[in-house]
Amino acid sequence: NAGVTQTPKFRILKIGQSMTLQCAQDMNHNYMYWYRQDPGMGLKLIYYSVGAGITDKGEVPNGYNVSRSTTEYFPLRLELAAPSQTSVYFCASSYGGSSGNTIYFGEGSWLTVV
Amino acid sequence: AQSVTQPDIHITVSEGASLELRCNYSYGATPYLFWYVQSPGQGLQLLLKYFSGDTLVQGIKGFEAEFKRSQSSFNLRKPSVHWSDAAEYFCAVGISSGSARQLTFGSGTQLTVLP
Repeated sequence: NAGVTQTPKFRILKIGQSMTLQCAQDMNHNYMYWYRQDPGMGLKLIYYSVGAGITDKGEVPNGYNVSRSTTEYFPLRLELAAPSQTSVYFCASSYGGSSGNTIYFGEGSWLTVV
Repeated sequence: AQSVTQPDIHITVSEGASLELRCNYSYGATPYLFWYVQSPGQGLQLLLKYFSGDTLVQGIKGFEAEFKRSQSSFNLRKPSVHWSDAAEYFCAVGISSGSARQLTFGSGTQLTVLP
């Protein structure tokens, strides 16, 4: 009963480095999301996908890229990491759009850019 | 666009005491409303949700919330708090379009439970 699985759990990056946060879900959900959570700021939507091959920007997409080649996987790519990208990242999924359906979250990835 | 306000950044209660966490939203029509809980080092877990119908919604872990249209509020309550309830609580509002973009989270309320 894995649900939404994210890796890595923790990562320290140097400014200018790149990395990919991995996300997988085994619930056959069509919608997947990436959020970032900054202290005292709640969750902000970075990118989302409504199905394999379809992605769209959320509220804070700059500095990130995503792809969705299959239903199960939705990796988030950070290019040229900046200190402003220090945050906790959550991958999530739902069956149907998030506004009317339960979203299931992964456990989070703590990223520090130094 | 819709917005969510959780006016209390941090609340401290004693174990066994009652709890109310406030949530106010701004949206022109009836929204979808959610409460999520986040334990330390964990992702968010859905406590309860309101779509329509009975304005008093029961959730998991003994929580309930009441939708009050006149006050644009969706406050979370629990009659007797347990030490394991210490966590951060997020209210979220979605509009009825079904779009993935249209879910907005509040900034959260951190709950501390004293023994």
